[in-house]
Amino acid sequence: AQTVTQSQPEMSVQEAETVTLSCTYDTSESNYYLFWYKQPPSRQMILVIRQEAYKQQNATENRFSVNFQKAAKSFSLKISDSQLGDTAMYFCAFMKTRDDKIIFGKGTRLHILP
Amino acid sequence: GAVVSQHPSRVICKSGTSVKIECRSLDFQATTMFWYRQFPKQSLMLMATSNEGSKATYEQGVEKDKFLINHASLTLSTLTVTSAHPEDSSFYICSASRIIPRAYYGYTFGSGTRLTVV
Repeated sequence: AQTVTQSQPEMSVQEAETVTLSCTYDTSESNYYLFWYKQPPSRQMILVIRQEAYKQQNATENRFSVNFQKAAKSFSLKISDSQLGDTAMYFCAFMKTRDDKIIFGKGTRLHILP
Repeated sequence: GAVVSQHPSRVICKSGTSVKIECRSLDFQATTMFWYRQFPKQSLMLMATSNEGSKATYEQGVEKDKFLINHASLTLSTLTVTSAHPEDSSFYICSASRIIPRAYYGYTFGSGTRLTVV
């Protein structure tokens, strides 16, 4: 069975700083997808970034980038120039290529401080 | 962009009654929709996978007779909590995927429904 582990329950950083959220996963699959979702106080789930396991190049979306280490089964999220609006719960998620289900980690609550 | 509408956003019902939650994909067709439950400050727990035109697939430990799911069209799935009890109080979220390619687009989530059973 697949598992997703986020070892940082909560983090706080000053506005404009860079922060990295950790995520590790366990799977025997060779092809899969990884996601980071953001859940702000409104509780609306928002896709931040996605990574396809067969792509070695790390995905980037503006201020958000990932460090994907397939051999280590690690998928960290880096937020550069953090903004107050980045305050949210962040979930790392895994999906097998041949499946529809997304498996979520327990989440990291991120506070951006003014 | 893909939009999923979930209604109602909040509902309070009396113990023993049933409540229906709707999940609609507004601008795309979704053969598969998912229903999650989220307890305060916790992660999303997948309850069931809803497939258009067929019976839903429930995760282990989820009572299918209590949480009735219907996916009658490519744009609508409903979750009915039957004979609700206070322990059913929670935040329920639906999500939908485009037919193809689902992983490229990820999943679009509804805004959630906060159910309170009194």
